[in-house]
Amino acid sequence: DAGITQSPRHKVTETGTPVTLRCHQTENHRYMYWYRQDPGHGLRLIHYSYGVKDTDKGEVSDGYSVSRSKTEDFLLTLESATSSQTSVYFCATPGRGNNEQFFGPGTRLTVL
Amino acid sequence: QKEVEQDPGPLSVPEGAIVSLNCTYSNSAFQYFMWYRQYSRKGPELLMYTYSSGNKEDGRFTAQVDKSSKYISLFIRDSQPSDSATYLCAMSERNTDKLIFGTGTRLQVFP
Repeated sequence: DAGITQSPRHKVTETGTPVTLRCHQTENHRYMYWYRQDPGHGLRLIHYSYGVKDTDKGEVSDGYSVSRSKTEDFLLTLESATSSQTSVYFCATPGRGNNEQFFGPGTRLTVL
Repeated sequence: QKEVEQDPGPLSVPEGAIVSLNCTYSNSAFQYFMWYRQYSRKGPELLMYTYSSGNKEDGRFTAQVDKSSKYISLFIRDSQPSDSATYLCAMSERNTDKLIFGTGTRLQVFP
């Protein structure tokens, strides 16, 4: 257990609505990551954070924004959800080894 | 062409079989190699972690890295129905924390 919780665990929303997903960690990690997982694509990095108020884009950042106002919380926002953002979203934090990452339980998002 | 290629399966084997899961990659700068196991509707969990080339063994699991061939493998001995899951390979370069994942191979071990 990497001390990561994600909320909500499931969400169904409509196209055009804003959605915010939350990742909470209890181990004071400086780095946090957001991924999406889709069939045929595996896990792809959306955004990551390297400290409070310090964030950067990943491979598939278009349509997403993030915020980190506290060490323990990393928020992912879809400003105007589209059907192509239907996916499973995972948050991750570093492990002990170089480049190790541990993942949260995921949020299953459906955009109708 | 993707940086990391992985056969999606499914791979179906009887209990007790030796399983071989593989990934190929194109980026010679990859130095860290990982295998994750993901049960249905769960998050990926780190199974094996290796640096550079060579073998690493942990119980019934052996991870193998062949950098000259750009090929990594995960072997599972005496496979169990509880090993049924999707196995994801992941890798990264030195001096970056960006992981590149394969698409995953679904494994089914039947009793």
